[in-house]
Amino acid sequence: AQSVTQPDIHITVSEGASLELRCNYSYGATPYLFWYVQSPGQGLQLLLKYFSGDTLVQGIKGFEAEFKRSQSSFNLRKPSVHWSDAAEYFCAVASFGNEKLTFGTGTRLTIIP
Amino acid sequence: DGGITQSPKYLFRKEGQNVTLSCEQNLNHDAMYWYRQDPGQGLRLIYYSQIVNDFQKGDIAEGYSVSREKKESFPLTVTSAQKNPTAFYLCASSMIGGWGQGEQYFGPGTRLTVT
Repeated sequence: AQSVTQPDIHITVSEGASLELRCNYSYGATPYLFWYVQSPGQGLQLLLKYFSGDTLVQGIKGFEAEFKRSQSSFNLRKPSVHWSDAAEYFCAVASFGNEKLTFGTGTRLTIIP
Repeated sequence: DGGITQSPKYLFRKEGQNVTLSCEQNLNHDAMYWYRQDPGQGLRLIYYSQIVNDFQKGDIAEGYSVSREKKESFPLTVTSAQKNPTAFYLCASSMIGGWGQGEQYFGPGTRLTVT
C-alpha cells in the first residue's frame, strides 16, 4: 500500500527566508506526486504535480519540488516566503490508473515578520 | 465560474440525528470524493465515485452513506452510527485518467459539530 510521510508537523520561517518542506513516500512503482495547500477553514488547492520526466517541477505561487527516486522524496521549496504563504501544506501520492490520493498528515507553516 | 460548492459552511446537529452534506460540481468531472479532516490526521477518504449510480468505500466509510444520482452531485449523509462525527468535511472532484489524474479540485468544506 502506498503511504506518505511529512515528518515536520509545524515549521516557522521568517518572511523572505527560504523554505523546504519534506515529503517521503512509499510506493513500489513510479508514483504520481502532488503538493496541495490549504488556508485555514478552506479547501485544498493544487500547487504542483509530478508524473514523469524532469524531476524538478514548477508550480504556482513560486513553489517548486524535486522528485528524488533514490530517497523516495518529493520536497517542496520556495526561495523567499511571503506572509501570505502561511497555511497548511499536504503532500499526496497516487498510482497509475488509480484516481485515489493518499495524503500525508500535513505541515503547518507559520511566517514571522 | 467552474468549481465545487459545499453547503452549508457550518452545520450543527444533536447527537443521534442523521445529517446530509451537499456537494455540487460544474466542472464536468466524472470522479467525486468525500474526505474527513481532523487536526493532525490529514485527509482521510470516506467514499468516492467514478460514475453515476456507483460508488466505493474509502478508508473510513463506517457510519457514512452517499449517493450519486447525477454526475454533478455527490451528497454525504453522516448517520447516527458514526461515533465521532464532529469534523471538517471536504468534497473533491477530478477527471479520470490522462494528465489530470490525481488532480483533485476541492470545495470550501463543511464544518460539522455534533453535540
